[in-house]
Amino acid sequence: AQRVTQPEKLLSVFKGAPVELKCNYSYSGSPELFWYVQYSRQRLQLLLRHISRESIKGFTADLNKGETSFHLKKPFAQEEDSAMYYCALREVNRDDKIIFGKGTRLHILP
Amino acid sequence: DAGVTQSPTHLIKTRGQQVTLRCSPKSGHDTVSWYQQALGQGPQFIFQYYEEEERQRGNFPDRFSGHQFPNYSSELNVNALLLGDSALYLCASSLSQGAYEQYFGPGTRLTVT
Repeated sequence: AQRVTQPEKLLSVFKGAPVELKCNYSYSGSPELFWYVQYSRQRLQLLLRHISRESIKGFTADLNKGETSFHLKKPFAQEEDSAMYYCALREVNRDDKIIFGKGTRLHILP
Repeated sequence: DAGVTQSPTHLIKTRGQQVTLRCSPKSGHDTVSWYQQALGQGPQFIFQYYEEEERQRGNFPDRFSGHQFPNYSSELNVNALLLGDSALYLCASSLSQGAYEQYFGPGTRLTVT
């Protein structure tokens, strides 16, 4: 069965330190991976998707099919990065449902 | 464009009652998906509507049903409410063609007592 695992419920990082939010998935087909973010009192929004291969707000994520991982990284954390982050998966060209992980709360310490 | 809008914002119901939640998609979008987000969990896919028909369904009982109107807006209906149905219900809209991205609404917080 398709599954997205985010092993950390909470990650606290000092401002200026590197950030890595872990995401592992189990899926046998051809997945499309996403990171969604929810800032305080705001709606869930797309941060980035693996097929775009772009950096958004300094964040990058590389799909590693061998390790079935899609970790989110940023070299220098900023206070405004504090938010809830969800890793998500979609089956390409088959259906449109998105499977979300349970999320990781990122807390940037001053 | 206000983006995806949902109503009501909050709702309190009693066990056994029925509830209807509403969603208006982002301008230009023709597909609406519904998710349930329980406290401390990620959103769980309920179903998706396109061209006024249910196109995909997640692992939810038949008590959960929906509808899409010709203007692409959508309703989520839940019958015979259970305490476990208490959650944030999210609506997301997308375009069936082109780059796939779902835009989420603010959600409706349903409390079942």
